Amino acid sequence: EVQLVESGGVVVQPGGSLRLSCAASGFTFDDYAMHWVRQAPGKGLEWVSLISWDGGSTYYADSVKGRFTISRDNSKNSLYLQMNSLRAEDTALYYCAKRGTEGSGYYSEYWGQGTLVTVSS
Amino acid sequence: QSALTQPASVSGSPGQSITISCTGTSSDVGGYNYVSWYQQHPGKAPKLMIYDVSNRPSGVSNRFSGSKSGNTASLTISGLQAEDEADYYCSSYTSSSTDVFGTGTKVTVL
Repeated sequence: EVQLVESGGVVVQPGGSLRLSCAASGFTFDDYAMHWVRQAPGKGLEWVSLISWDGGSTYYADSVKGRFTISRDNSKNSLYLQMNSLRAEDTALYYCAKRGTEGSGYYSEYWGQGTLVTVSS
Repeated sequence: QSALTQPASVSGSPGQSITISCTGTSSDVGGYNYVSWYQQHPGKAPKLMIYDVSNRPSGVSNRFSGSKSGNTASLTISGLQAEDEADYYCSSYTSSSTDVFGTGTKVTVL
């Protein structure tokens, strides 16, 4: 059974930093690209970042480019999101998601339950 | 990276069919057959319903179907049931090798 368990979400002050983690199990982690997707309270889904299976390619939404860094450790089956220069508008539930297995793979087949980041003074 | 455009809400009576639209550009929806749809119940993580425009993952009811024409993709729910009441989001791969989500649609079963 595929499991994705996010952690690291806390209350942090504006301008602060935070690292989120996602522990993966139930599939061959280093076969798949992985995403971070966020959802502000009462709002819609926003794609944040993607990392290739080997970590060699990374992509970011314009809203986080230059502030967030996605990474992975395939030896630990873990995905990370380093978040710097945090702003109030970064307050959201952060999900990690696994790229798809069938067809193109360009979709999120499995999602974690999310970890809540609150940016507030 | 503008969000794809969806209607804010769609409603229907049990047994009816409804369709949710998802409009993008030639750089996302129109340029690739990589549109996916997600269902989200309150307080829950999103669930994949359709991938690659019209494919259903194992376990998803065949009452859900997807299609695309030009820059607009659509999700149709036939035989609407109370359990279908949820938020629905489309998503597309883009020419920047990123993903983009739709604005979301709240489906209400009357």
